[in-house]
Amino acid sequence: GAVVSQHPSRVICKSGTSVKIECRSLDFQATTMFWYRQFPKQSLMLMATSNEGSKATYEQGVEKDKFLINHASLTLSTLTVTSAHPEDSSFYICSARTVDKNIQYFGAGTRLSVL
Amino acid sequence: EDQVTQSPEALRLQEGESSSLNCSYTVSGLRGLFWYRQDPGKGPEFLFTLYSAGEEKEKERLKATLTKKESFLHITAPKPEDSATYLCAVGGSQGNLIFGKGTKLSVKP
Repeated sequence: GAVVSQHPSRVICKSGTSVKIECRSLDFQATTMFWYRQFPKQSLMLMATSNEGSKATYEQGVEKDKFLINHASLTLSTLTVTSAHPEDSSFYICSARTVDKNIQYFGAGTRLSVL
Repeated sequence: EDQVTQSPEALRLQEGESSSLNCSYTVSGLRGLFWYRQDPGKGPEFLFTLYSAGEEKEKERLKATLTKKESFLHITAPKPEDSATYLCAVGGSQGNLIFGKGTKLSVKP
């Protein structure tokens, strides 16, 4: 299957700092990538859809100025959590969608802890 | 509104005890029914995708089936390593996935 790499796997930061998370499709090109957030014992909630070369589409209730998404190439999308606060602590997961089979493959996730 | 409901929330099996997980869905137009496996602290791992009623797919001890309103993930003679949370999702109109809350499967030796 297709491989999606997500880094870092875990980050601990102080309140007020910004954190960047990278999502790379290693063996296929992805015109569309997705960013999800998952709370303990909950399912994945879509935050935004990232399209290569265009602005991301954010789900209702997700602050686009707080969660900056950049999809500058067909294999890389980044999520930057700006001025992070403890309530932003969560598990963030990216996915990349294949064009031919329309299947989303997921990264391993990033555990963000804001102190 | 597209919706996915999985049952049961949790399932405990003895090794070798076969069972099924259910995924009920309501969508305006099915754009694929997806099954994923998620281990604790990891991202979901793709298992199957089904597109039309009557379709079936198999992989080792797992078999996924699809009807017009639900999908089943059948687990035959499970092993402890099959313990995980199994997620069901349907394809959304924006190309996204709409997930159910998952079924946490525990297989005891």
